[in-house]
Amino acid sequence: GENVEQHPSTLSVQEGDSAVIKCTYSDSASNYFPWYKQELGKRPQLIIDIRSNVGEKKDQRIAVTLNKTAKHFSLHITETQPEDSAVYFCAAIDGYSTLTFGKGTMLLVSP
Amino acid sequence: GAGVSQSPSNKVTEKGKDVELRCDPISGHTALYWYRQSLGQGLEFLIYFQGNSAPDKSGLPSDRFSAERTGGSVSTLTIQRTQQEDSAVYLCASSLKTSGGINQETQYFGPGTWLLVL
Repeated sequence: GENVEQHPSTLSVQEGDSAVIKCTYSDSASNYFPWYKQELGKRPQLIIDIRSNVGEKKDQRIAVTLNKTAKHFSLHITETQPEDSAVYFCAAIDGYSTLTFGKGTMLLVSP
Repeated sequence: GAGVSQSPSNKVTEKGKDVELRCDPISGHTALYWYRQSLGQGLEFLIYFQGNSAPDKSGLPSDRFSAERTGGSVSTLTIQRTQQEDSAVYLCASSLKTSGGINQETQYFGPGTWLLVL
């Protein structure tokens, strides 16, 4: 099955800096890669996703890049704000209709 | 419209008791998923439903765990003879459809049920 590795496990940045979270996946058949944000005590919320026919996608301050050859994808957050502090999960879908999640990155943005 | 809902929001039970957790997916969503999230951990896949059938039960940790879905809507996750290690947040998610047998649709999560086994 699919295996998703996510790094770093924790990331601390100053407000206004950029943050990058990286994930690798094992199944070359995977073709959908969502990112979820989970604030403390709340449900995971989709923030951006990318499909395999696209190399990059951007939505305001967040962007995701995908390298299918290398089987890795990354989340980029620019001009970070304290409200960006949360746990971020990447995921990849294999050929069996279930998402495989990374273990999460705890992002702390200090004012 | 209404999102995914789960009940109860919190459940405290004694070791050895059975518990039943409920998930109401978004109306019209044919795919439904159960995950478990232990404190500070990632999302552990438990089971997936497409309609009323469960093509993938590979994540259920033991035979004490079972789930069913009726009418293509509500799902219940049952944990029999609960153990302390079952304590976690149980999250349900739903998505609109599958495409060619592969689910490429966004999963929307419910608020979760916090289960504490004493």
